[in-house]
Amino acid sequence: EDQVTQSPEALRLQEGESSSLNCSYTVSGLRGLFWYRQDPGKGPEFLFTLYSAGEEKEKERLKATLTKKESFLHITAPKPEDSATYLCAVQEHSGYALNFGKGTSLLVTP
Amino acid sequence: GAVVSQHPSWVICKSGTSVKIECRSLDFQATTMFWYRQFPKQSLMLMATSNEGSKATYEQGVEKDKFLINHASLTLSTLTVTSAHPEDSSFYICSARLVSGNTIYFGEGSWLTVV
Repeated sequence: EDQVTQSPEALRLQEGESSSLNCSYTVSGLRGLFWYRQDPGKGPEFLFTLYSAGEEKEKERLKATLTKKESFLHITAPKPEDSATYLCAVQEHSGYALNFGKGTSLLVTP
Repeated sequence: GAVVSQHPSWVICKSGTSVKIECRSLDFQATTMFWYRQFPKQSLMLMATSNEGSKATYEQGVEKDKFLINHASLTLSTLTVTSAHPEDSSFYICSARLVSGNTIYFGEGSWLTVV
């Protein structure tokens, strides 16, 4: 059973059309939940780490939230340059390695 | 700028040869580094956790004799793919954990093609 499930698999938005990406997780003890952005052929770029339910973090047009079962990445008024794959990963109390979901491929059209 | 540097960015090698990929943390010391591989349109799969000064911890199904990991200093970890075969062709990515704050940064990745 997957520990980290991201939805939707792919998302196409018009520029300025806000939306949310979902990351559901199942772990015995969460140390942290991480969000990354990955452009084609590149390594993941760090966005946020969330540690406890109710926590929120923002960066430009992105806002990440966390509950006990899932995390959302809200994208407000996206621009074409926000097009990328967004990866969610969980880190358990047992270690520091990250377990990734399959990602959401976001395309923002002008 | 990049806080984790990988080298080379891409490499082509002949089947049966070995190839080494370096991962360096810039401006910070990393007691723990991680190695992942990623196949096209798939997510990152953890291969091993590299601890400075000790043996790496490999994930189930990853051959430790084939993927040699060395973490000899607090800023450098290396992955050596030994006796490479075409099925080892993949995108290999390293990451390093910033101890203060628990941020984990990734390198730009290394494309390996075995012909």
